[in-house]
Amino acid sequence: KAGVTQTPRYLIKTRGQQVTLSCSPISGHRSVSWYQQTPGQGLQFLFEYFSETQRNKGNFPGRFSGRQFSNSRSEMNVSTLELGDSALYLCASNDGGNGELFFGEGSRLTVL
Amino acid sequence: GIQVEQSPPDLILQEGANSTLRCNFSDSVNNLQWFHQNPWGQLINLFYIPSGTKQNGRLSATTVATERYSLLYISSSQTTDSGVYFCAVLTGTASKLTFGTGTRLQVTL
Repeated sequence: KAGVTQTPRYLIKTRGQQVTLSCSPISGHRSVSWYQQTPGQGLQFLFEYFSETQRNKGNFPGRFSGRQFSNSRSEMNVSTLELGDSALYLCASNDGGNGELFFGEGSRLTVL
Repeated sequence: GIQVEQSPPDLILQEGANSTLRCNFSDSVNNLQWFHQNPWGQLINLFYIPSGTKQNGRLSATTVATERYSLLYISSSQTTDSGVYFCAVLTGTASKLTFGTGTRLQVTL
């Protein structure tokens, strides 16, 4: 069974640009959640999608958005990038309940 | 929201030593997981343990939900055990994990 797949793995952007990250969950999993990891703030929850609906949202500005497709794949978008958006973005999937979450390898974003 | 605290923040061990990592949480949880973050950033699942005790090779974990803490035991540590260990808890109905600040473990020869 394939794991959680995130693309791209690494990317470099400049301030003011936008970026789209993709996440394909484990087959059969309907929940995809996104997390941001920075040295200063640690691992923080961004949002979660379940059956194409945003079910929960963390405390991030509106520049951070996401969506989920009918095949459960998810994308997150960050617009008007700031230097502070440089981070490791991790995606996790599970069956939508209280079960175990499984993480992808992450997308490492650098904003110059 | 729920608070998750891990201790110690840093730990240096010689190869072969044993260690105990602790995770305290401030409210009832539906799920608790332990992860090891590898040098490339991926979170590797160690245990899914909302309560009770589990063992996997040299690693074991115990969660006492009524007292709101969990322990991760590493026995006969190896250099490959180095990295950051995170505890994360899930509350409510959505799949939102709240992470602790982690324990950075370094195992030396």
